[in-house]
Amino acid sequence: DAKTTQPTSMDCAEGRAANLPCNHSTISGNEYVYWYRQIHSQGPQYIIHGLKNNETNEMASLIITEDRKSSTLILPHATLRDTAVYYCIVRVATQGGKLIFGQGTELSVKP
Amino acid sequence: DGGITQSPKYLFRKEGQNVTLSCEQNLNHDAMYWYRQDPGQGLRLIYYSQIVNDFQKGDIAEGYSVSREKKESFPLTVTSAQKNPTAFYLCASSILSGGYGYTFGSGTRLTVV
Repeated sequence: DAKTTQPTSMDCAEGRAANLPCNHSTISGNEYVYWYRQIHSQGPQYIIHGLKNNETNEMASLIITEDRKSSTLILPHATLRDTAVYYCIVRVATQGGKLIFGQGTELSVKP
Repeated sequence: DGGITQSPKYLFRKEGQNVTLSCEQNLNHDAMYWYRQDPGQGLRLIYYSQIVNDFQKGDIAEGYSVSREKKESFPLTVTSAQKNPTAFYLCASSILSGGYGYTFGSGTRLTVV
């Protein structure tokens, strides 16, 4: 069972920030939150991950609430190439550290 | 460049046949995984391996088999016992500890004809 819930779809204007929310209210203390994205018929691409603190890299920022029950992925200046399905994922400590995928958010960046 | 390679990209299988999907990585990762993706859905874990010559069933292992004879290789066999094998199959690898993420391959699309 997925440990995360995300909106099914979102739109964003090109050049604007895309803010993708995720709820993970049952996350355990040692479980990381990961974000991946997938373009149709390709393997998922790693974006960012975090445990407690906010994180930033060259692709995105990850904001995790203090209670760790939710997070937001921020793409600061969305481009058309950012159109993809975005997965918010919890990596569990069991089963070899498997990733539990939900349905993801289909982000459409429009001109 | 380091990475993870899956082959073939597309595979067609007749009903009743076994087929083997290849997965090779040169990232020196200890752990390797096979996931299945059906249309409009997230990925589900089939098998995983944390060390050579050892592997464990995931959530949907029935009808599949794997081997891990080398650290770099983790082939998946889809057997005739798998009732609905048509899907997109993804292989991944990872460092075992800490907050490291996965590196995924580009996938194999299997179609039963």
